[in-house]
Amino acid sequence: DARVTQTPRHKVTEMGQEVTMRCQPILGHNTVFWYRQTMMQGLELLAYFRNRAPLDDSGMPKDRFSAEMPDATLATLKIQPSEPRDSAVYFCASGLVPDGRSYNEQFFGPGTRLTVL
Amino acid sequence: GIQVEQSPPDLILQEGANSTLRCNFSDSVNNLQWFHQNPWGQLINLFYIPSGTKQNGRLSATTVATERYSLLYISSSQTTDSGVYFCAVGDSSYKLIFGSGTRLLVRP
Repeated sequence: DARVTQTPRHKVTEMGQEVTMRCQPILGHNTVFWYRQTMMQGLELLAYFRNRAPLDDSGMPKDRFSAEMPDATLATLKIQPSEPRDSAVYFCASGLVPDGRSYNEQFFGPGTRLTVL
Repeated sequence: GIQVEQSPPDLILQEGANSTLRCNFSDSVNNLQWFHQNPWGQLINLFYIPSGTKQNGRLSATTVATERYSLLYISSSQTTDSGVYFCAVGDSSYKLIFGSGTRLLVRP
């Protein structure tokens, strides 16, 4: 049963601490997305990778957020230092996009619920 | 950018009732997905349907791309159908733009 996995599922931390969220995309998928969901803003795209290369991180606060794909089976999203306004649910999604195209169906992981006190 | 509008924003049904959820979008799209966010927060893929009609059990969806709308039909609703239904659209890029959702409550 292929699915996107994310860890941790829940994280409570104090302001100023580093937070790392991990995502394992579906095996064989060549695109990875990070989204953030809040009540006020809904679902927002934070970052996008294709074939492990970061192609768009314009949705992230650059001074504190960073996203990487150390290998094809792992994507990470780090916040350092964390702030209370970062409290949200962070979703990872992956998809298999054919050559010559930019889009295809995206499959979402269960999310990481982050609370920054 | 593309604007996505979903209606109704809230819907309460009695178990067994049918419903239609609507998604309007402001520009032509190449990508359209319907998701169900269950009460535990998980986003579940329902349909990938940039055009045409698909059916999966009690659910079906139709997208009329030329008229810029998509419909999600839920028949014989069950309490497990409760949650938020999102429509997300994209043009020729990788980006999905999400609507604000329809919150559905199915009462036993």
